[in-house]
Amino acid sequence: DSGVTQTPKHLITATGQRVTLRCSPRSGDLSVYWYQQSLDQGLQFLIQYYNGEERAKGNILERFSAQQFPDLHSELNLSSLELGDSALYFCASSGSGSPNYGYTFGSGTRLTVV
Amino acid sequence: ELKVEQNPLFLSMQEGKNYTIYCNYSTTSDRLYWYRQDPGKSLESLFVLLSNGAVKQEGRLMASLDTKARLSTLHITAAVHDLSATYFCAVTTITGTASKLTFGTGTRLQVTL
Repeated sequence: DSGVTQTPKHLITATGQRVTLRCSPRSGDLSVYWYQQSLDQGLQFLIQYYNGEERAKGNILERFSAQQFPDLHSELNLSSLELGDSALYFCASSGSGSPNYGYTFGSGTRLTVV
Repeated sequence: ELKVEQNPLFLSMQEGKNYTIYCNYSTTSDRLYWYRQDPGKSLESLFVLLSNGAVKQEGRLMASLDTKARLSTLHITAAVHDLSATYFCAVTTITGTASKLTFGTGTRLQVTL
């Protein structure tokens, strides 16, 4: 157990729907990062939050949004889902914005859009 | 935009053999990481390389970093089947509390008996 908790582990939904993925960072970590892993795009950085505020943004679609709450857990919202959104979504956390000791990844949420 | 390239993409090697995975990146980076991923599983941190000339070893794996050449290597010594997995290098750019980790394409390693 890495200490980063992601729920749900699996999600199957239909095109056009909206889903919410949840991440609880390792105890004491202030930064949360979201990544998408798909066969054709590899591992793509989506977004980073630090202590409740957005800090860095990657190739995140406008249909996707995220937030980090006061208790530091984070949610990734995916809407108007398309078949191409099927992927593994990972959350990672680090102690600050300067991860000398690396990023700790959760076990991921596998999203299947049908 | 920072680009990270790994080669080879796929590596089939016999048990007991040595091999090296290469990771090149396009712009100055603050730190370099190596991760291991088993199929359908999460990413396990192997090494964090912080400075030019850094070398770290854990078991049969050794990672090094040359920031001038923008090159990191992951050397596998006397491979065993348990090392079969996909290995990713990743580099990060940091500005204050903002950081972005960019991954390479991954190298799928298959160790055969």
